[in-house]
Amino acid sequence: EAGVAQSPRYKIIEKRQSVAFWCNPISGHATLYWYQQILGQGPKLLIQFQNNGVVDDSQLPKDRFSAERLKGVDSTLKIQPAKLEDSAVYLCASSRNTGPETQYFGPGTRLLVL
Amino acid sequence: QQQVKQSPQSLIVQKGGISIINCAYENTAFDYFPWYQQFPGKGPALLIAIRPDVSEKKEGRFTISFNKSAKQFSLHIMDSQPGDSATYFCAATQAGTALIFGKGTTLSVSS
Repeated sequence: EAGVAQSPRYKIIEKRQSVAFWCNPISGHATLYWYQQILGQGPKLLIQFQNNGVVDDSQLPKDRFSAERLKGVDSTLKIQPAKLEDSAVYLCASSRNTGPETQYFGPGTRLLVL
Repeated sequence: QQQVKQSPQSLIVQKGGISIINCAYENTAFDYFPWYQQFPGKGPALLIAIRPDVSEKKEGRFTISFNKSAKQFSLHIMDSQPGDSATYFCAATQAGTALIFGKGTTLSVSS
């Protein structure tokens, strides 16, 4: 089966600009996650969707970050406006259910904010 | 209490040697402990995982040892190979909530 797809793979923007990332999970996977991975650290959850509903967005900086999964399939994560500290890899993952043992990660989008 | 502490930060092992990475946690409600392997430019991939009702799980050259009383678990890579050179993350979670990752260990296996 095809893996989790993400685009773009790389993005360079200046601070205060906006940026959006796209994720297409594995077909049939109901749960979708967005993680932020800062250089030298482990991934940190930003938001978790179950179908098109939000399960956990407690660590999402809602003043600048937003995410949606309108049709319960693909998802977009937006940053507006970006700050220097948003430079990181943004990973999308999906799982068939809410069980983490089935969580599959995409290749990530590497964001550099100048 | 939600942290997972991982050590060492980096590790150099000779080909054929044993690589050992350790993790410790505080939250006794955690019920699933996976290890992920990440190569540069790739997303993390599940390597092996364990639940707290067993003390050890082995899959090929990879073994997880779990000590519930000490709230520690470790990854052992036997007969380490250059292809094992990657960053390894331990993680923990409870009841389907988000994975809490350690900070990672960069493993280099020299030939």
